[in-house]
Amino acid sequence: EIVLTQSPATLSLSPGERATLSCRASQSVSSYLAWYQQKFGQAPRLLIYDASNRATGIPARFSGSGSGTDFTLTISSLEPEDFALYYCQQRSNWPFTFGPGTKVDIK
Amino acid sequence: EVQLLESGGGLVQPGGSLRLSCAASGFTFSSYAMSWVRQAPGKGLEWVSAISSSGDSTYYADSVKGRFTISRDNSKNTLFLQMNSLRAEDTAVYYCAKDYSNYPANCDYWGQGTLVTVSS
Repeated sequence: EIVLTQSPATLSLSPGERATLSCRASQSVSSYLAWYQQKFGQAPRLLIYDASNRATGIPARFSGSGSGTDFTLTISSLEPEDFALYYCQQRSNWPFTFGPGTKVDIK
Repeated sequence: EVQLLESGGGLVQPGGSLRLSCAASGFTFSSYAMSWVRQAPGKGLEWVSAISSSGDSTYYADSVKGRFTISRDNSKNTLFLQMNSLRAEDTAVYYCAKDYSNYPANCDYWGQGTLVTVSS
């Protein structure tokens, strides 16, 4: 099973600041990595798939990069609605796995 | 508008069974893979099971293999998860999710979830 590690666990930032979230895989997942956002009491929402492709309706301030084992989700300028939990997920090998999440909270 | 409506959750004793359903609308159900993903209270996400668009391929997490069965009825736009031999560690919100492909990849739409509680 591929293990995903996310860092940091918590990111405390102010609106308007840039957020950089990391995800590392225990083995190469090629570009088969996605990012999801989850707000309290809600279902996850797909943000990025295949490392760098924005899902339908996702604002351009969200971007993804990386390949192999190291990936980054960048939020260029935080909006109030962006403070949430973010999970990475790999689809290279079954079982598909999620990282433990990074919480982006208001500083 | 894509809608996924889960049902069938509830309280069940250890060793018991439940059948979850997910009624889908707003898209061509038979063209997309579907999945069940769960989230234990206060915990992260776990991909439980997935099924291809035709139903000919199914996938299970090791934690549920041999106990859970995923299926779909493309004529009724409905996804199922039969859960047997339930354990306390199966307690979670179970989400039904639509994939963007005909084989499991990534989930672009999610239901609101149904809570399964396994307790005596």
